[in-house]
Amino acid sequence: GQNIDQPTEMTATEGAIVQINCTYQTSGFNGLFWYQQHAGEAPTFLSYNVLDGLEEKGRFSSFLSRSKGYSYLLLKELQMKDSASYLCAVPGNTPLVFGKGTRLSVIA
Amino acid sequence: DTEVTQTPKHLVMGMTNKKSLKCEQHMGHRAMYWYKQKAKKPPELMFVYSYEKLSINESVPSRFSPECPNSSLLNLHLHALQPEDSALYLCASSQPGAPAYEQYFGPGTRLTVT
Repeated sequence: GQNIDQPTEMTATEGAIVQINCTYQTSGFNGLFWYQQHAGEAPTFLSYNVLDGLEEKGRFSSFLSRSKGYSYLLLKELQMKDSASYLCAVPGNTPLVFGKGTRLSVIA
Repeated sequence: DTEVTQTPKHLVMGMTNKKSLKCEQHMGHRAMYWYKQKAKKPPELMFVYSYEKLSINESVPSRFSPECPNSSLLNLHLHALQPEDSALYLCASSQPGAPAYEQYFGPGTRLTVT
């Protein structure tokens, strides 16, 4: 089975950098996804990591260490609109198993 | 077109009603999914269709009945629901197969059962 752990809530200041961590345990690894979900809206795809290392996409970067079962999402130059839940997800027995999500609040 | 559409956006139904949720995509994806999401919880997978055939049913009660009439459409038929079934119902699509491909989510249907 899969076990995914991420912090429940985080708060950060506008313009700052925040790192959201995710640890996972899965039998057989087929990559790790990060999704963003604003309240009451659908999740939107942010990133997919299958190899170790850092993938950068604009203000957002995602890191993976397969040996440690660890990933993080790095958000730079935070904006108020980045306030959302960030979901870590891995394929497993079902196509995607989501972590409980991290609710990020960006404050002025 | 990278959009998954869902109708209706909001639905209020009584426990004796029969209603259907609809989902449509025109990205040529051959895998389509239904998820249920309660407030402040992650999406929970309900059903997966791959090439228009039901491939995964996550032990969902029979009061939820999925249907995939063609490769672009996915329905969820609802009958005799309970108040605890009130939730956001999300449809998603992707290319099928392993490893998992990026799933595109629709905006969801907010269902309230009274």
